[in-house]
Amino acid sequence: SQQGEEDPQALSIQEGENATMNCSYKTSINNLQWYRQNSGRGLVHLILIRSNEREKHSGRLRVTLDTSKKSSSLLITASRAADTASYFCATDADETSGSRLTFGEGTQLTVNP
Amino acid sequence: DGGITQSPKYLFRKEGQNVTLSCEQNLNHDAMYWYRQDPGQGLRLIYYSQIVNDFQKGDIAEGYSVSREKKESFPLTVTSAQKNPTAFYLCASRRVGNSNQPQHFGDGTRLSIL
Repeated sequence: SQQGEEDPQALSIQEGENATMNCSYKTSINNLQWYRQNSGRGLVHLILIRSNEREKHSGRLRVTLDTSKKSSSLLITASRAADTASYFCATDADETSGSRLTFGEGTQLTVNP
Repeated sequence: DGGITQSPKYLFRKEGQNVTLSCEQNLNHDAMYWYRQDPGQGLRLIYYSQIVNDFQKGDIAEGYSVSREKKESFPLTVTSAQKNPTAFYLCASRRVGNSNQPQHFGDGTRLSIL
């Protein structure tokens, strides 16, 4: 079953604005990962944040993790039309679940030029 | 270039037919995965394999079968028992030994019923 839930399901913004997507999960995790999917393509890994980290940056991406609330957020700053895609969070649970990830339902981001 | 290759890109299945989706990786990854994605939804795990000659069922294994005879290859067969096979199928691989590793994805196979 999917344990990650993204919010909102869809987000439409203007180029140059910031986009924030949220992810909630239910069980303990080793790490949480964010992926991007362009229409009709495979997923591309964006950023991984470990359970003992609270914030991580990569270029225009900023990810936060709050393990007490079992939630994470992905912020894309100064968005571009090319950022239009679906974004998924995925949780890597503790070692008893092996090496599988559990994906959320995704947020569809549309950046209007 | 290192990566994951899925073939074919599009596949059509006739009723009662088994079809096999190919997934090959040259990343030297031990673990490989098959996911199903329905329109507007997330990924659901069908099968995964952490080592050659071993694999585990995911959340929606019924109607599917896999084999892992070589490290590089993890083919998925959609059997006639899968009554609703129309979906986008994604294969992924991952290095094991260090749990803080991302998965690498192929570009998918879109399966439709004729």
